[in-house]
Amino acid sequence: DGGITQSPKYLFRKEGQNVTLSCEQNLNHDAMYWYRQDPGQGLRLIYYSQIVNDFQKGDIAEGYSVSREKKESFPLTVTSAQKNPTAFYLCASNQQIGSIYEQYFGPGTRLTVT
Amino acid sequence: QQQVKQSPQSLIVQKGGISIINCAYENTAFDYFPWYQQFPGKGPALLIAIRPDVSEKKEGRFTISFNKSAKQFSLHIMDSQPGDSATYFCAASSGETSGSRLTFGEGTQLTVNP
Repeated sequence: DGGITQSPKYLFRKEGQNVTLSCEQNLNHDAMYWYRQDPGQGLRLIYYSQIVNDFQKGDIAEGYSVSREKKESFPLTVTSAQKNPTAFYLCASNQQIGSIYEQYFGPGTRLTVT
Repeated sequence: QQQVKQSPQSLIVQKGGISIINCAYENTAFDYFPWYQQFPGKGPALLIAIRPDVSEKKEGRFTISFNKSAKQFSLHIMDSQPGDSATYFCAASSGETSGSRLTFGEGTQLTVNP
């Protein structure tokens, strides 16, 4: 099955700890994205990567870091500097189909920090 | 800050009725307008998308209406069904790599009563 996998589905951490969320895709897409979803606020872009070994900050990058060493993988680290890390995190990748750029989303990871 | 304003925040419709969700944008450079459907605990999935060279696009029971002069676009769900109950997000993007950076609306939680 082709698609985007995120693991784990639920993640619990203590405040002050860094945590890394996994995102893997076997769709051969070049571009990958990380979003954060909070109730009533839609999806906000954290980081994105258009090609391997390159990535750009999104709208809310503070307190997060990423790497893109392989085309298939785009892990997100939530650092202790992120003031309010509890949220639903979504990874996505991008494919052009004709004039449409479709973003495929993974199933998400719900992170709870206490 | 590029923004997309979405309304209403929540919508309750009877089975067989028409669901209408509206979005407005400011950035006239936006040239791609997708709608996403998200079920609880899942990642969003692309429902339908439109470019500003057409005023309407229909796929099955789902129609996007686009008003370029008013900078507004809307999603119409005809013959709404309980299985349509989900959160709907509008989005927009612009630029040379159109579709690669999406700005999302805040979301509309649709409930279709049997």
